[in-house]
Amino acid sequence: DAKTTQPPSMDCAEGRAANLPCNHSTISGNEYVYWYRQIHSQGPQYIIHGLKNNETNEMASLIITEDRKSSTLILPHATLRDTAVYYCIVRGTGTASKLTFGTGTRLQVTL
Amino acid sequence: EPEVTQTPSHQVTQMGQEVILRCVPISNHLYFYWYRQILGQKVEFLVSFYNNEISEKSEIFDDQFSVERPDGSNFTLKIRSTKLEDSAMYFCASSVGLREPLHFGNGTRLTVT
Repeated sequence: DAKTTQPPSMDCAEGRAANLPCNHSTISGNEYVYWYRQIHSQGPQYIIHGLKNNETNEMASLIITEDRKSSTLILPHATLRDTAVYYCIVRGTGTASKLTFGTGTRLQVTL
Repeated sequence: EPEVTQTPSHQVTQMGQEVILRCVPISNHLYFYWYRQILGQKVEFLVSFYNNEISEKSEIFDDQFSVERPDGSNFTLKIRSTKLEDSAMYFCASSVGLREPLHFGNGTRLTVT
Protein backbone atom coordinates (compact mmCIF):
# COMPACT_ATOMS: atom_id res chain seq x y z
CA ASP A 1 0.00 0.00 0.00
CA ALA A 2 1.25 3.47 -0.79
CA LYS A 3 2.56 5.50 2.12
CA THR A 4 0.85 8.71 3.17
CA THR A 5 2.27 11.81 4.87
CA GLN A 6 0.11 14.07 7.04
CA PRO A 7 0.95 16.93 9.40
CA PRO A 8 0.88 15.71 12.99
CA SER A 9 -1.49 18.42 14.19
CA MET A 10 -3.65 21.32 13.06
CA ASP A 11 -5.93 23.88 14.69
CA CYS A 12 -9.14 25.29 13.32
CA ALA A 13 -11.59 27.84 14.67
CA GLU A 14 -15.14 26.67 15.10
CA GLY A 15 -17.30 27.58 12.12
CA ARG A 16 -14.36 27.85 9.77
CA ALA A 17 -13.40 25.32 7.12
CA ALA A 18 -10.81 22.76 8.13
CA ASN A 19 -8.50 21.76 5.30
CA LEU A 20 -6.47 18.64 6.07
CA PRO A 21 -3.71 17.82 3.57
CA CYS A 22 -2.27 14.44 2.69
CA ASN A 23 0.60 13.45 0.42
CA HIS A 24 0.58 10.07 -1.30
CA SER A 25 3.12 10.44 -4.07
CA THR A 26 3.58 6.68 -4.66
CA ILE A 27 -0.12 5.91 -5.14
CA SER A 28 -0.93 3.44 -7.88
CA GLY A 29 -3.56 3.96 -10.54
CA ASN A 30 -6.14 1.64 -9.00
CA GLU A 31 -5.66 2.63 -5.35
CA TYR A 32 -8.31 4.66 -3.58
CA VAL A 33 -7.78 7.44 -1.04
CA TYR A 34 -9.81 6.95 2.13
CA TRP A 35 -10.31 9.27 5.07
CA TYR A 36 -11.29 8.14 8.54
CA ARG A 37 -11.32 9.86 11.89
CA GLN A 38 -11.05 8.66 15.47
CA ILE A 39 -12.56 10.55 18.35
CA HIS A 40 -10.87 9.71 21.66
CA SER A 41 -10.61 5.92 21.75
CA GLN A 42 -13.76 5.24 19.76
CA GLY A 43 -13.66 3.09 16.65
CA PRO A 44 -12.43 4.76 13.46
CA GLN A 45 -15.26 6.47 11.63
CA TYR A 46 -15.45 6.42 7.84
CA ILE A 47 -15.65 9.90 6.29
CA ILE A 48 -15.17 9.72 2.53
CA HIS A 49 -13.15 8.07 -0.22
CA GLY A 50 -12.25 8.70 -3.85
CA LEU A 51 -10.18 7.53 -6.79
CA LYS A 52 -9.66 10.44 -9.15
CA ASN A 53 -12.60 12.81 -8.99
CA ASN A 54 -13.46 15.15 -6.19
CA GLU A 55 -16.09 13.75 -3.87
CA THR A 56 -18.58 15.32 -1.49
CA ASN A 57 -20.94 13.85 1.07
CA GLU A 58 -22.81 15.11 4.10
CA MET A 59 -19.67 15.07 6.22
CA ALA A 60 -16.91 16.43 4.03
CA SER A 61 -15.38 17.05 0.62
CA LEU A 62 -12.36 15.31 -0.82
CA ILE A 63 -10.19 17.10 -3.32
CA ILE A 64 -7.66 14.92 -5.18
CA THR A 65 -5.02 16.57 -7.35
CA GLU A 66 -4.93 15.70 -11.02
CA ASP A 67 -1.69 13.73 -10.64
CA ARG A 68 -3.25 11.97 -7.58
CA LYS A 69 -0.12 12.55 -5.54
CA SER A 70 -1.94 14.51 -2.86
CA SER A 71 -5.41 15.19 -1.54
CA THR A 72 -7.22 17.49 0.88
CA LEU A 73 -10.09 16.69 3.18
CA ILE A 74 -12.35 19.67 3.75
CA LEU A 75 -14.73 19.97 6.69
CA PRO A 76 -16.72 22.99 5.55
CA HIS A 77 -17.88 24.29 8.94
CA ALA A 78 -15.86 22.69 11.71
CA THR A 79 -17.49 22.23 15.11
CA LEU A 80 -16.01 21.24 18.47
CA ARG A 81 -17.28 17.71 17.83
CA ASP A 82 -14.94 17.47 14.83
CA THR A 83 -11.93 17.44 17.16
CA ALA A 84 -10.33 14.09 16.39
CA VAL A 85 -7.40 12.32 14.73
CA TYR A 86 -7.90 12.22 10.98
CA TYR A 87 -6.33 9.45 8.93
CA CYS A 88 -5.61 9.56 5.23
CA ILE A 89 -5.20 6.02 3.91
CA VAL A 90 -4.34 4.69 0.49
CA ARG A 91 -6.15 1.42 0.18
CA GLY A 92 -4.47 -1.40 -1.64
CA THR A 93 -6.06 -3.91 -3.93
CA GLY A 94 -5.16 -7.10 -2.11
CA THR A 95 -7.52 -9.97 -1.45
CA ALA A 96 -9.38 -8.24 1.34
CA SER A 97 -8.11 -4.72 0.87
CA LYS A 98 -7.25 -3.98 4.46
CA LEU A 99 -6.76 -0.43 5.68
CA THR A 100 -3.34 0.48 7.04
CA PHE A 101 -3.51 3.32 9.55
CA GLY A 102 -0.70 5.79 10.07
CA THR A 103 -0.40 8.37 12.81
CA GLY A 104 -2.82 10.83 11.22
CA THR A 105 -3.44 14.52 11.90
CA ARG A 106 -4.78 15.58 15.26
CA LEU A 107 -7.30 18.33 14.51
CA GLN A 108 -8.18 20.62 17.39
CA VAL A 109 -11.25 22.77 16.81
CA THR A 110 -11.34 25.77 19.13
CA LEU A 111 -13.90 28.42 20.05
CA GLU B 1 -28.21 3.46 10.57
CA PRO B 2 -26.90 -0.10 11.03
CA GLU B 3 -23.72 -0.42 13.05
CA VAL B 4 -21.10 -2.92 14.12
CA THR B 5 -21.67 -4.02 17.70
CA GLN B 6 -18.91 -5.29 19.99
CA THR B 7 -19.21 -6.97 23.36
CA PRO B 8 -18.10 -6.62 26.06
CA SER B 9 -17.03 -2.99 26.06
CA HIS B 10 -14.40 -3.78 28.68
CA GLN B 11 -12.85 -7.12 29.57
CA VAL B 12 -10.40 -7.71 32.38
CA THR B 13 -8.55 -11.01 32.47
CA GLN B 14 -5.57 -12.54 34.18
CA MET B 15 -2.40 -13.37 32.34
CA GLY B 16 -2.56 -16.85 30.86
CA GLN B 17 -6.34 -16.92 30.55
CA GLU B 18 -8.28 -17.23 27.32
CA VAL B 19 -10.64 -14.49 26.16
CA ILE B 20 -13.21 -14.30 23.41
CA LEU B 21 -14.13 -10.94 21.99
CA ARG B 22 -17.44 -10.81 20.18
CA CYS B 23 -18.65 -8.76 17.26
CA VAL B 24 -21.90 -8.53 15.36
CA PRO B 25 -21.10 -7.09 11.93
CA ILE B 26 -23.62 -5.21 9.83
CA SER B 27 -26.06 -7.79 8.53
CA ASN B 28 -25.43 -7.74 4.78
CA HIS B 29 -21.66 -7.35 5.05
CA LEU B 30 -19.39 -10.06 3.71
CA TYR B 31 -15.87 -8.99 4.77
CA PHE B 32 -14.80 -8.94 8.39
CA TYR B 33 -11.76 -7.57 10.13
CA TRP B 34 -10.09 -7.29 13.52
CA TYR B 35 -7.78 -4.45 14.47
CA ARG B 36 -6.15 -3.50 17.73
CA GLN B 37 -4.83 -0.28 19.21
CA ILE B 38 -2.43 -0.28 22.11
CA LEU B 39 -2.83 2.85 24.21
CA GLY B 40 -1.19 5.81 22.49
CA GLN B 41 -0.22 3.83 19.40
CA LYS B 42 -1.52 3.28 15.88
CA VAL B 43 -4.53 1.24 14.89
CA GLU B 44 -3.01 -2.06 13.72
CA PHE B 45 -4.49 -4.62 11.36
CA LEU B 46 -4.76 -8.14 12.75
CA VAL B 47 -6.80 -10.24 10.33
CA SER B 48 -9.37 -10.20 7.58
CA PHE B 49 -11.98 -12.89 6.98
CA TYR B 50 -14.13 -13.70 3.99
CA ASN B 51 -16.15 -16.69 2.90
CA ASN B 52 -15.45 -18.47 6.17
CA GLU B 53 -11.72 -18.29 5.93
CA ILE B 54 -8.87 -15.95 6.73
CA SER B 55 -7.99 -13.74 3.76
CA GLU B 56 -4.98 -12.03 5.24
CA LYS B 57 -3.28 -11.79 8.60
CA SER B 58 -0.54 -9.65 10.06
CA GLU B 59 2.61 -10.73 11.88
CA ILE B 60 0.81 -9.94 15.14
CA PHE B 61 -1.81 -12.59 14.42
CA ASP B 62 0.16 -15.62 15.51
CA ASP B 63 -0.97 -18.99 16.88
CA GLN B 64 -2.23 -17.28 20.00
CA PHE B 65 -5.08 -15.78 18.01
CA SER B 66 -7.97 -17.31 16.13
CA VAL B 67 -11.15 -16.04 14.50
CA GLU B 68 -14.45 -17.68 13.87
CA ARG B 69 -17.84 -16.93 12.46
CA PRO B 70 -19.82 -19.51 14.42
CA ASP B 71 -23.20 -18.54 13.01
CA GLY B 72 -24.68 -16.12 10.54
CA SER B 73 -24.32 -13.09 12.75
CA ASN B 74 -21.34 -13.27 15.11
CA PHE B 75 -17.64 -12.85 14.41
CA THR B 76 -15.28 -13.68 17.25
CA LEU B 77 -11.64 -13.18 18.12
CA LYS B 78 -10.14 -15.66 20.55
CA ILE B 79 -6.90 -14.94 22.35
CA ARG B 80 -5.37 -17.94 24.06
CA SER B 81 -3.04 -17.60 27.03
CA THR B 82 -3.20 -13.82 27.23
CA LYS B 83 -0.09 -11.78 27.93
CA LEU B 84 0.29 -8.37 29.49
CA GLU B 85 1.15 -6.92 26.10
CA ASP B 86 -2.21 -8.03 24.70
CA SER B 87 -3.80 -5.19 26.65
CA ALA B 88 -5.34 -2.93 24.00
CA MET B 89 -8.53 -1.78 22.35
CA TYR B 90 -9.74 -4.37 19.87
CA PHE B 91 -11.88 -3.14 17.00
CA CYS B 92 -14.04 -5.23 14.74
CA ALA B 93 -14.95 -3.94 11.28
CA SER B 94 -17.03 -5.12 8.36
CA SER B 95 -17.65 -4.09 4.78
CA VAL B 96 -20.28 -5.01 2.23
CA GLY B 97 -17.81 -5.45 -0.62
CA LEU B 98 -14.15 -5.69 -1.37
CA ARG B 99 -13.73 -2.05 -2.32
CA GLU B 100 -16.37 -0.66 0.02
CA PRO B 101 -15.62 1.28 3.22
CA LEU B 102 -14.95 -0.59 6.44
CA HIS B 103 -17.31 0.22 9.26
CA PHE B 104 -15.87 -0.13 12.74
CA GLY B 105 -17.39 -0.96 16.08
CA ASN B 106 -16.54 1.01 19.19
CA GLY B 107 -14.18 -1.63 20.43
CA THR B 108 -13.52 -3.85 23.41
CA ARG B 109 -10.94 -2.63 25.88
CA LEU B 110 -8.96 -5.67 26.99
CA THR B 111 -6.94 -5.35 30.16
CA VAL B 112 -4.61 -8.21 31.06
CA THR B 113 -3.40 -8.18 34.67
